[in-house]
Amino acid sequence: GQQVMQIPQYQHVQEGEDFTTYCNSSTTLSNIQWYKQRPGGHPVFLIQLVKSGEVKKQKRLTFQFGEAKKNSSLHITATQTTDVGTYFCAGYSSASKIIFGSGTRLSIRP
Amino acid sequence: NAGVTQTPKFQVLKTGQSMTLQCAQDMNHNSMYWYRQDPGMGLRLIYYSASEGTTDKGEVPNGYNVSRLNKREFSLRLESAAPSQTSVYFCASSVIRSTDTQYFGPGTRLTVL
Repeated sequence: GQQVMQIPQYQHVQEGEDFTTYCNSSTTLSNIQWYKQRPGGHPVFLIQLVKSGEVKKQKRLTFQFGEAKKNSSLHITATQTTDVGTYFCAGYSSASKIIFGSGTRLSIRP
Repeated sequence: NAGVTQTPKFQVLKTGQSMTLQCAQDMNHNSMYWYRQDPGMGLRLIYYSASEGTTDKGEVPNGYNVSRLNKREFSLRLESAAPSQTSVYFCASSVIRSTDTQYFGPGTRLTVL
């Protein structure tokens, strides 16, 4: 069945450093969504990517969708303490329902 | 708008007990979902409902039943709880499809002893 792998599982950075999480699917995706979950909270939608090679930016966050629509990345420039949380990708292919990655937990040293 | 609400927030059950988790949304969304979240495993879809009166199995449906009572409400029932069902349960909704933005409720933290 479809699998969506996300790496790394954990990332601990100094405030001000950059952060990247990667998502890889075993099948071609129709689209990919990114969600953020603060500690003790619920997932909150960040963005959706649909087109091959698409790049979208939200302030310090940059989202990319691979040319083959099988991988995606989220890059945060100059992390701040407000970025703490777990970042999930969620992929959808025509053959299956939406599948969430296992998430990358970001912690930050002030 | 309250968005997606879930009750209860916390629950402790003994093995074999039954309970129903309630979920309601006030956004007039057609689709609703139940997920469970376990450490290191992300969110796994239990059941979903694409519209009132329809339900479909997700990735991990065994041990659960659901009921889409009306457009607003989607309940999840554990008939005979097992320790393996200890988890955080999230309800979510989207306008039409699962590819639409999903809006999550605050979650129910369930412990089965």
